[in-house]
Amino acid sequence: QVQLQESGPGLVKPSETLSLTCTVSGGSIISYYWGWIRQPPGKGLEWLGYSDFGGTTNYNPSLESRVTISADTSKNQFSLKVTSVTAADTAVYYCARSHGGLKYWDRWGQGTPVTVSS
Amino acid sequence: DIQMTQSPSSVSASVGDRVTITCRASQDIHNWLAWYQQKPGKAPNLLIWSASALQSGVPSRFSGSGSGTNFTLTISSLHPEDFATYYCQQAGNYPFFGGGTKVDIK
Repeated sequence: QVQLQESGPGLVKPSETLSLTCTVSGGSIISYYWGWIRQPPGKGLEWLGYSDFGGTTNYNPSLESRVTISADTSKNQFSLKVTSVTAADTAVYYCARSHGGLKYWDRWGQGTPVTVSS
Repeated sequence: DIQMTQSPSSVSASVGDRVTITCRASQDIHNWLAWYQQKPGKAPNLLIWSASALQSGVPSRFSGSGSGTNFTLTISSLHPEDFATYYCQQAGNYPFFGGGTKVDIK
C-alpha cells in the first residue's frame, strides 16, 4: 500500500522560502503525477502544482512565479518550494499521487501545517 | 483558467435523506471530473473519478453523473459517516477544485 508523508518546518518567517518534502513508501514515484495541494484554515482546497517523475511540471497560474516542484527518483521523494511567503501562505499542505496517468488524486499524505509568522 | 463552481455551499440533511450536490465548469471538461469527501482534520478522499467511476472501496450509495460543464454527486441515502465537506475537481492540465459543499446534520 503506497503511503505518502510530508515533512518540513512548521513555522516560516515572512519573505522566506517554505520547503516541504513528500516521501513515498510502498511504491515507486515513476509513472504517476505528484501534486501539492494546500488548505488555509477554515477554507477550501487549493491546487498548487504537480510534477511527474521526469520533471515535467505545471503550476497554478496564481502562484507560478513563487512555486517550484521537483522529483527525486533516487530517494522516492518530491518536494515543494514556495518563495517570498506571507501570512496568506499559512495552510495545511498535502502531497498527493495521481490516479495512474489521470490528474485525480487517489493517495494523499496526512498533511502538514505550516504557519507563516515572524 | 477553468473555474469550478459548486452549489449549494452547504446543505442540512438527515440520516436516510437523498443529497445532491452540483458542480459547474466554466468550460467543457468532457468527463474529467472527480469528487472528494473531506472530514475535519483529515486529508480528502477520492470518491468518484471520470465523472461517474466509483473509486475502489467507496460505498455504492455514492454516484456521479454529468459531462461537459454540469456534474452531480448524489448520496442516495445519507449515513451518519457521510456528514462531511465535498469537493469537485476538474482533471485537466490545471486541476482546480470547486469551493466545497458542507453536508451537516439537520
